[in-house]
Amino acid sequence: GAVVSQHPSRVICKSGTSVKIECRSLDFQATTMFWYRQFPKKSLMLMATSNEGSKATYEQGVEKDKFLINHASLTLSTLTVTSAHPEDSSFYICSARGTAVRVREKLFFGSGTQLSVL
Amino acid sequence: QKEVEQNSGPLSVPEGAIASLNCTYSDRGSQSFFWYRQYSGKSPELIMSIYSNGDKEDGRFTAQLNKASQYVSLLIRDSQPSDSATYLCADSDSNYQLIWGAGTKLIIKP
Repeated sequence: GAVVSQHPSRVICKSGTSVKIECRSLDFQATTMFWYRQFPKKSLMLMATSNEGSKATYEQGVEKDKFLINHASLTLSTLTVTSAHPEDSSFYICSARGTAVRVREKLFFGSGTQLSVL
Repeated sequence: QKEVEQNSGPLSVPEGAIASLNCTYSDRGSQSFFWYRQYSGKSPELIMSIYSNGDKEDGRFTAQLNKASQYVSLLIRDSQPSDSATYLCADSDSNYQLIWGAGTKLIIKP
């Protein structure tokens, strides 16, 4: 199946620092990538949708200036949490969708990043 | 607003029995349906996709789709403790955007 690589898997940082999370599609071109966050024992919450070469579309209530998303190539999207605070501590997950038939409808997930802000 | 609904559980099933997970969806135009499994602290992984009315079997897993009733289910035969996880149901709209259910927590008791 299609592989999506997400790094880092775990980040512990001080309040006020910025954290960058990378998401790469390894064996297919991901025209669309999705960023989710998940709190313990809660379901996935879509944060934003990014299409290669264009600005991300953010869900209601998600601050675009705080969660910067860049999708500069067909295989890489990044999420930067700027000036992180303890309330930003969460599990962040990226997923990707390609255009080829075998990957068009299904979402393939990265392994997730557990962010802990002290 | 399009919705996918699941009972949050937990659903407790004895080892070796059949686990039955259910999901309903609101959008009659939905064409594609997916079951994902998520272990605690891990990302979801795709188990089954189903597009046509009826049953689709893959090993111990069977997905069932009834478009008239807007109902999707996942059956797990010969349940194992390793099947204990949260199961997420999702459907896909015409833009391939997934609409997620809240997930059902399944516990397989040895």
